[in-house]
Amino acid sequence: DAKTTQPPSMDCAEGRAANLPCNHSTISGNEYVYWYRQIHSQGPQYIIHGLKNNETNEMASLIITEDRKSSTLILPHATLRDTAVYYCIPLSSGSARQLTFGSGTQLTVLP
Amino acid sequence: GAVVSQHPSRVICKSGTSVKIECRSLDFQATTMFWYRQFPKQSLMLMATSNEGSKATYEQGVEKDKFLINHASLTLSTLTVTSAHPEDSSFYICSASRQGGYGYTFGSGTRLTVV
Repeated sequence: DAKTTQPPSMDCAEGRAANLPCNHSTISGNEYVYWYRQIHSQGPQYIIHGLKNNETNEMASLIITEDRKSSTLILPHATLRDTAVYYCIPLSSGSARQLTFGSGTQLTVLP
Repeated sequence: GAVVSQHPSRVICKSGTSVKIECRSLDFQATTMFWYRQFPKQSLMLMATSNEGSKATYEQGVEKDKFLINHASLTLSTLTVTSAHPEDSSFYICSASRQGGYGYTFGSGTRLTVV
């Protein structure tokens, strides 16, 4: 699986967009980019995933560069409840794949 | 949406006793379940992968005789921590995937404290 690099921490003002970067320069062609987040003392929560194209759902947008070596998760209007550790995880297609968590980015949304 | 229920949420046990943690997929059949462990201020570390009806596959360094995993049905997996010691105190989290699906659903986690 590809290795990832994420900043250890970021702050964001409530109501503003939070842009969380992830570098995955060794990602292979069949690996999707998954984003999960973990609020303190809870299980991780799925946010979004993509392969090549940008994706958007009710929680966030995912921007993947054309060379697929990096991506950015965008929370358009961050709230205090978005304070969590965000994980970017490359994952190949197929069954019984396992999610390998790196150290992630601690996002703190400030009032 | 897919829901995974994990119980108990917190458990305190005495050193030397065993503790069972249950993980249930409530609205889908989980062909594969994963068990993770998370120590304070650290990331999740995969302990084992279990497929329904098969023996679990353990990650390197995880003692299979200490962490017993049973995945007897498509909706239930259990992790039993045998002869627990204080160093086993941790946050244990299960995750489930469905056949042909993508994405994983996580339980809410179990905080184990061994005294």
